[in-house]
Amino acid sequence: GNSVTQMEGPVTLSEEAFLTINCTYTATGYPSLFWYVQYPGEGLQLLLKATKADDKGSNKGFEATYRKETTSFHLEKGSVQVSDSAVYFCALSDLGATDSWGKFQFGAGTQVVVTP
Amino acid sequence: DADVTQTPRNRITKTGKRIMLECSQTKGHDRMYWYRQDPGLGLRLIYYSFDVKDINKGEISDGYSVSRQAQAKFSLSLESAIPNQTALYFCATSNRQGWSDTQYFGPGTRLTVL
Repeated sequence: GNSVTQMEGPVTLSEEAFLTINCTYTATGYPSLFWYVQYPGEGLQLLLKATKADDKGSNKGFEATYRKETTSFHLEKGSVQVSDSAVYFCALSDLGATDSWGKFQFGAGTQVVVTP
Repeated sequence: DADVTQTPRNRITKTGKRIMLECSQTKGHDRMYWYRQDPGLGLRLIYYSFDVKDINKGEISDGYSVSRQAQAKFSLSLESAIPNQTALYFCATSNRQGWSDTQYFGPGTRLTVL
């Protein structure tokens, strides 16, 4: 079945540092890939997405490129701020897979802590 | 106003009590989902519904039931709450655009079962 694996946290870094959160996936069909962010006390918000290979999703300075050859969708930001402290979830939706049609698979989440 | 709302936002209850969590959406989406979130386990799917007459079990449906009262409303019930159902519960909706399907989440309900 489909699955998503992302790096464990917490990831602690200083303001203005470079952030990378690794995400790899397995899928039987043609997945769309997503990054969601959860700020403290809130629900998940869509951060960015990519629907086909080589697409790059971007939002709020974050980027992720859909790499089919490495089955990866790593999240990056060049200069983080304290306000980026949150939990980040990688997810996939595979509308081409019969057994998981319409369902999302989420990674376990990576907590990011940015210090001043 | 929020597109996906959940009530209550926080609830403390006792073992054995029946609890209902409600979700409403104004996004006009057909698909609705209930998840629970536990530390270190990410999100786990409890139930999902693709339209009013369609209800499906997710990976952890035991001890839960749902009702899709209308396109915009999807309720989750714990018939007899137990302490290990203490968690953060999220409702989500989704829409399909071609081969892409994006989920939108409510703010969550924090449930504590004593």
